[in-house]
Formats: sequence, structure tokens, C-alpha cells
Amino acid sequence: DTAVSQTPKYLVTQMGNDKSIKCEQNLGHDTMYWYKQDSKKFLKIMFSYNNKELIINETVPNRFSPKSPDKAHLNLHINSLELGDSAVYFCASSPLAVRETQYFGPGTRLLVL
Amino acid sequence: KNEVEQSPQNLTAQEGEFITINCSYSVGISALHWLQQHPGGGIVSLFMLSSGKKKHGRLIATINIQEKHSSLHITASHPRDSAVYICAVPHMDSNYQLIWGAGTKLIIKP
Repeated sequence: DTAVSQTPKYLVTQMGNDKSIKCEQNLGHDTMYWYKQDSKKFLKIMFSYNNKELIINETVPNRFSPKSPDKAHLNLHINSLELGDSAVYFCASSPLAVRETQYFGPGTRLLVL
Repeated sequence: KNEVEQSPQNLTAQEGEFITINCSYSVGISALHWLQQHPGGGIVSLFMLSSGKKKHGRLIATINIQEKHSSLHITASHPRDSAVYICAVPHMDSNYQLIWGAGTKLIIKP
């Protein structure tokens, strides 16, 4: 049973399109995260939700909109995709805060052409 | 702002060697994370520690809170240990944000 799952694993799309990435965790965790890993391999926090409430909203273009329908799901919707959005997007969860172990999804490799 | 520095950036070793990866941070923390990113991209949490030492199989993590330094050791290294190892510490002002090191890319040759 996958603890943190993301769909799709690969996403190739054209500039200007709108796309969504879904994340689900079956660990009963209260906190979920979206990270972006760029070509230099740095992991950057984008958003964090605790029990469906937005906690962190880093300097991310407002084309990116997270949605948490319940505490087991945190989806990421991206409008008007740009070339620079190409990256690997990781979802993660932890029981509460970052002082506890984070569990990562397999990543979604987004390529914008 | 808490800075996290890892060394070395890249490390190539022969199978069987003892491996040490270092992580230094600039301000007081309550916990430090070590994670592993496989060549295929998946990220796995290895350790979270706030004092002393933890061991899991051939992996050992130590932390010295006074010196603001942590090390990750791998004994009897194996090619399957080849990965990027990342340390991360909590942001000073947030319970929900980690400051990430740049990672150490480890290659173990058979």
C-alpha cells in the first residue's frame, strides 16, 4: 500500500495549458506539502497545509493554486503553464510539523514544451 | 535565517569503503533530518534526530548540537547506496518549513 501517492507520474504539456497534479496520503497525517525540485536539484517548499488549512504559501506565482478537499488530499492546479514550470513536483506529508518525519510521494515530472 | 551547508558536494568511493557526509547549520534547532534521493528520483527519509546518534542497518547519523554539526556515515558501502543525501533543518520561524541542504551526490563503484 502506497503511503503517499501522486498522479500523474509524468506530465508533458504545451505552454499555456492548465494542468493538475493530485496527491493522496493514507497515513492519517495532518500536514501535507508541495515541493518543487528544479534542474539544479534544490527542493523548494511551495505550500504547506495543516488539516486542510493553508500554512505556508511561499513566493509562488498565483498561477499555482493548491486545494485540499480533506486532510488526506492536497492537489496542485497550475494555470497558463510556462517553460520555467518544468520540474519535478513532490508531495509530502508528516504527522504534524517539520519536527517529525516527512514521507514523500514518488514525484511528478512535468515537462512544458 | 538558518543556513545549511553540506560537504562534500560529490563523493565517489569504492565498494566497501566507510563513507562520511557532513552537514553544518547556523542556528539552534530542535531536530535535523537526513534524506536519501535515489537515482530514480524517489525521496526517502532516513533519520530525524535531535541529539546523539541513531543507527539503521549500515547507516549511522550523529549530531552535535553545540557544534551545530551532523554527520551521516555508511559502513561497508555498496553500489546500491549511490544516491543524493540531503540534510534539512526546521526554519527558525516556522513549524512547517524545512531549510534544505544542497545535497551530497554519492557514487559507490563496484
